Amino acid sequence: SYVLTQPPSVSVAPGKTARITCGGNNIGSKSVHWYQQKPGQAPVLVIYYDSDRPSGIPERFSGSNSGNTATLTISRVEAGDEADYYCQVWDSSSDHAHVVFGGGTKLTVL
Amino acid sequence: EVQLVQSGAEVKKPGESLRISCKGSGYSFTSYWISWVRQMPGKGLEWMGRIDPSDSYTNYSPSFQGHVTISADKSISTAYLQWSSLKASDTAMYYCARVLPFGKAFDPWGQGTLVTVSS
Repeated sequence: SYVLTQPPSVSVAPGKTARITCGGNNIGSKSVHWYQQKPGQAPVLVIYYDSDRPSGIPERFSGSNSGNTATLTISRVEAGDEADYYCQVWDSSSDHAHVVFGGGTKLTVL
Repeated sequence: EVQLVQSGAEVKKPGESLRISCKGSGYSFTSYWISWVRQMPGKGLEWMGRIDPSDSYTNYSPSFQGHVTISADKSISTAYLQWSSLKASDTAMYYCARVLPFGKAFDPWGQGTLVTVSS
Protein backbone atom coordinates (compact mmCIF):
# COMPACT_ATOMS: atom_id res chain seq x y z
CA SER A 1 0.00 0.00 0.00
CA TYR A 2 1.03 3.60 -0.53
CA VAL A 3 3.06 5.20 2.26
CA LEU A 4 3.53 8.90 3.09
CA THR A 5 6.53 9.83 5.23
CA GLN A 6 6.73 13.04 7.29
CA PRO A 7 9.39 14.16 9.77
CA PRO A 8 8.07 13.76 13.33
CA SER A 9 9.00 17.30 14.29
CA VAL A 10 10.10 20.65 12.88
CA SER A 11 11.19 23.64 14.94
CA VAL A 12 11.33 27.25 13.77
CA ALA A 13 11.80 30.68 15.31
CA PRO A 14 9.00 33.25 15.03
CA GLY A 15 9.17 35.23 11.81
CA LYS A 16 11.16 32.55 9.99
CA THR A 17 10.03 30.04 7.37
CA ALA A 18 8.98 26.49 8.20
CA ARG A 19 9.05 23.71 5.62
CA ILE A 20 7.32 20.42 6.30
CA THR A 21 7.92 17.61 3.83
CA CYS A 22 5.79 14.66 2.80
CA GLY A 23 7.55 11.89 0.91
CA GLY A 24 5.94 9.23 -1.27
CA ASN A 25 6.70 7.22 -4.37
CA ASN A 26 6.03 9.54 -7.34
CA ILE A 27 3.86 11.73 -5.13
CA GLY A 28 4.15 14.44 -7.77
CA SER A 29 1.57 12.52 -9.81
CA LYS A 30 -1.03 12.79 -7.05
CA SER A 31 -2.97 15.65 -5.49
CA VAL A 32 -1.68 16.37 -1.99
CA HIS A 33 -3.69 18.01 0.77
CA TRP A 34 -2.48 19.41 4.10
CA TYR A 35 -4.25 19.73 7.45
CA GLN A 36 -3.47 21.67 10.60
CA GLN A 37 -4.55 20.22 13.93
CA LYS A 38 -4.19 22.20 17.14
CA PRO A 39 -4.46 20.45 20.52
CA GLY A 40 -8.02 19.47 21.36
CA GLN A 41 -9.37 20.56 17.98
CA ALA A 42 -10.47 18.88 14.78
CA PRO A 43 -8.14 19.08 11.77
CA VAL A 44 -8.52 22.01 9.39
CA LEU A 45 -7.70 21.96 5.67
CA VAL A 46 -4.95 24.50 4.95
CA ILE A 47 -3.79 23.46 1.45
CA TYR A 48 -5.56 21.35 -1.19
CA TYR A 49 -4.64 20.18 -4.68
CA ASP A 50 -0.94 20.66 -3.88
CA SER A 51 -1.01 24.45 -3.58
CA ASP A 52 -4.52 25.92 -3.32
CA ARG A 53 -5.63 27.70 -0.16
CA PRO A 54 -9.18 27.49 1.20
CA SER A 55 -10.81 30.79 1.99
CA GLY A 56 -9.72 32.09 5.37
CA ILE A 57 -6.27 30.49 5.28
CA PRO A 58 -3.49 33.12 5.36
CA GLU A 59 -1.29 33.59 2.32
CA ARG A 60 1.65 32.65 4.55
CA PHE A 61 0.66 29.03 3.91
CA SER A 62 1.74 27.58 0.55
CA GLY A 63 2.37 24.18 -0.96
CA SER A 64 4.34 22.50 -3.71
CA ASN A 65 4.59 18.98 -5.07
CA SER A 66 7.11 17.40 -7.41
CA GLY A 67 8.87 14.10 -7.86
CA ASN A 68 8.83 12.15 -4.61
CA THR A 69 8.28 15.07 -2.21
CA ALA A 70 5.47 17.47 -1.40
CA THR A 71 6.19 20.46 0.82
CA LEU A 72 4.07 22.69 3.04
CA THR A 73 5.73 26.07 3.54
CA ILE A 74 4.71 28.47 6.28
CA SER A 75 6.26 31.93 5.93
CA ARG A 76 6.67 34.45 8.74
CA VAL A 77 5.77 31.83 11.31
CA GLU A 78 3.66 32.94 14.26
CA ALA A 79 3.16 31.36 17.68
CA GLY A 80 -0.39 30.45 16.62
CA ASP A 81 0.96 28.20 13.86
CA GLU A 82 2.21 25.71 16.43
CA ALA A 83 0.27 22.53 15.68
CA ASP A 84 0.43 19.08 14.13
CA TYR A 85 0.38 19.01 10.32
CA TYR A 86 -0.71 16.05 8.20
CA CYS A 87 -0.41 15.42 4.48
CA GLN A 88 -2.97 13.28 2.66
CA VAL A 89 -3.51 11.76 -0.78
CA TRP A 90 -6.13 9.63 -2.51
CA ASP A 91 -4.44 6.47 -3.71
CA SER A 92 -6.27 4.92 -6.65
CA SER A 93 -3.36 2.75 -7.78
CA SER A 94 -4.63 -0.46 -6.20
CA ASP A 95 -7.86 -2.41 -6.69
CA HIS A 96 -9.42 -0.59 -3.76
CA ALA A 97 -8.89 3.15 -3.86
CA HIS A 98 -8.38 4.66 -0.47
CA VAL A 99 -7.14 7.65 1.51
CA VAL A 100 -3.63 7.77 2.93
CA PHE A 101 -2.41 10.13 5.66
CA GLY A 102 1.15 10.88 6.56
CA GLY A 103 2.22 10.23 10.13
CA GLY A 104 2.08 13.91 11.04
CA THR A 105 4.65 16.56 11.90
CA LYS A 106 4.64 18.56 15.11
CA LEU A 107 5.60 22.16 14.39
CA THR A 108 7.20 23.88 17.37
CA VAL A 109 7.62 27.65 17.38
CA LEU A 110 10.70 28.44 19.47
CA GLU B 1 -22.23 27.74 6.37
CA VAL B 2 -21.21 24.17 5.61
CA GLN B 3 -21.16 22.22 8.85
CA LEU B 4 -20.85 18.67 10.14
CA VAL B 5 -22.12 18.13 13.69
CA GLN B 6 -21.31 14.88 15.44
CA SER B 7 -23.04 13.15 18.32
CA GLY B 8 -21.68 13.40 21.85
CA ALA B 9 -19.05 11.47 23.74
CA GLU B 10 -19.76 7.85 24.62
CA VAL B 11 -18.55 5.55 27.40
CA LYS B 12 -19.14 1.87 26.72
CA LYS B 13 -18.11 -1.55 28.01
CA PRO B 14 -16.28 -4.14 25.91
CA GLY B 15 -18.70 -6.21 23.86
CA GLU B 16 -21.35 -3.49 23.67
CA SER B 17 -22.62 -2.06 20.42
CA LEU B 18 -22.51 1.59 19.44
CA ARG B 19 -23.58 3.93 16.65
CA ILE B 20 -22.33 7.51 16.37
CA SER B 21 -23.67 10.09 13.97
CA CYS B 22 -22.59 13.00 11.75
CA LYS B 23 -25.22 15.46 10.52
CA GLY B 24 -24.47 17.68 7.54
CA SER B 25 -25.98 21.10 6.90
CA GLY B 26 -25.46 24.07 4.61
CA TYR B 27 -24.91 22.01 1.45
CA SER B 28 -26.44 19.24 -0.66
CA PHE B 29 -25.75 16.18 1.49
CA THR B 30 -26.03 13.73 -1.40
CA SER B 31 -23.47 15.58 -3.55
CA TYR B 32 -20.41 14.75 -1.41
CA TRP B 33 -19.00 11.62 0.13
CA ILE B 34 -18.54 11.43 3.90
CA SER B 35 -15.42 9.82 5.35
CA TRP B 36 -14.67 8.66 8.89
CA VAL B 37 -11.25 9.08 10.49
CA ARG B 38 -9.90 7.59 13.72
CA GLN B 39 -7.38 9.26 16.00
CA MET B 40 -6.18 7.17 18.91
CA PRO B 41 -4.87 9.03 21.98
CA GLY B 42 -1.67 10.85 21.12
CA LYS B 43 -1.52 9.36 17.63
CA GLY B 44 -2.07 10.39 14.02
CA LEU B 45 -5.02 10.29 11.65
CA GLU B 46 -6.25 6.98 10.21
CA TRP B 47 -8.77 6.77 7.39
CA MET B 48 -11.50 4.23 8.12
CA GLY B 49 -13.74 4.41 5.08
CA ARG B 50 -16.26 6.46 3.18
CA ILE B 51 -19.83 6.50 1.99
CA ASP B 52 -21.59 8.10 -0.96
CA PRO B 53 -24.86 9.28 0.62
CA SER B 54 -26.60 9.36 -2.76
CA ASP B 55 -26.56 5.57 -3.07
CA SER B 56 -24.96 4.39 0.20
CA TYR B 57 -22.00 2.86 -1.63
CA THR B 58 -19.14 2.31 0.79
CA ASN B 59 -15.51 1.36 0.75
CA TYR B 60 -13.31 0.72 3.72
CA SER B 61 -9.66 0.77 4.63
CA PRO B 62 -8.43 -2.83 4.85
CA SER B 63 -7.52 -2.06 8.48
CA PHE B 64 -11.16 -1.46 9.39
CA GLN B 65 -13.05 -3.70 6.94
CA GLY B 66 -15.29 -6.04 8.91
CA HIS B 67 -14.80 -4.17 12.19
CA VAL B 68 -17.09 -1.19 11.59
CA THR B 69 -20.06 -0.33 9.41
CA ILE B 70 -20.62 3.01 7.72
CA SER B 71 -24.13 3.98 6.69
CA ALA B 72 -26.19 7.05 5.86
CA ASP B 73 -29.77 8.30 5.91
CA LYS B 74 -30.02 10.92 3.21
CA SER B 75 -33.53 11.90 4.30
CA ILE B 76 -32.04 13.46 7.44
CA SER B 77 -28.57 14.30 6.02
CA THR B 78 -26.84 12.05 8.54
CA ALA B 79 -24.01 9.55 8.27
CA TYR B 80 -23.26 6.87 10.87
CA LEU B 81 -20.37 4.79 12.14
CA GLN B 82 -21.24 1.70 14.10
CA TRP B 83 -19.69 -1.20 15.98
CA SER B 84 -21.41 -4.45 16.89
CA SER B 85 -18.93 -5.44 19.59
CA LEU B 86 -16.58 -2.82 20.99
CA LYS B 87 -13.08 -3.52 22.23
CA ALA B 88 -10.88 -1.49 24.55
CA SER B 89 -8.67 -0.77 21.54
CA ASP B 90 -11.57 1.13 19.93
CA THR B 91 -11.02 3.92 22.45
CA ALA B 92 -10.31 6.96 20.29
CA MET B 93 -11.60 10.21 18.86
CA TYR B 94 -13.62 9.70 15.68
CA TYR B 95 -14.08 12.42 13.09
CA CYS B 96 -16.34 12.63 10.08
CA ALA B 97 -15.42 14.84 7.15
CA ARG B 98 -16.94 15.93 3.87
CA VAL B 99 -14.91 14.71 0.88
CA LEU B 100 -14.29 17.16 -1.94
CA PRO B 101 -14.29 15.75 -5.48
CA PHE B 102 -11.24 15.47 -7.78
CA GLY B 103 -8.54 14.72 -5.26
CA LYS B 104 -10.58 13.87 -2.20
CA ALA B 105 -9.56 16.58 0.24
CA PHE B 106 -11.52 16.67 3.50
CA ASP B 107 -13.38 19.87 4.28
CA PRO B 108 -14.92 20.58 6.67
CA TRP B 109 -14.49 18.15 9.53
CA GLY B 110 -16.91 17.42 12.32
CA GLN B 111 -15.95 18.37 15.86
CA GLY B 112 -15.18 14.75 16.75
CA THR B 113 -16.80 12.11 18.97
CA LEU B 114 -14.75 10.63 21.79
CA VAL B 115 -15.46 6.95 22.33
CA THR B 116 -14.15 5.36 25.52
CA VAL B 117 -14.38 1.60 25.95
CA SER B 118 -13.58 0.38 29.42
CA SER B 119 -14.75 -2.31 31.77
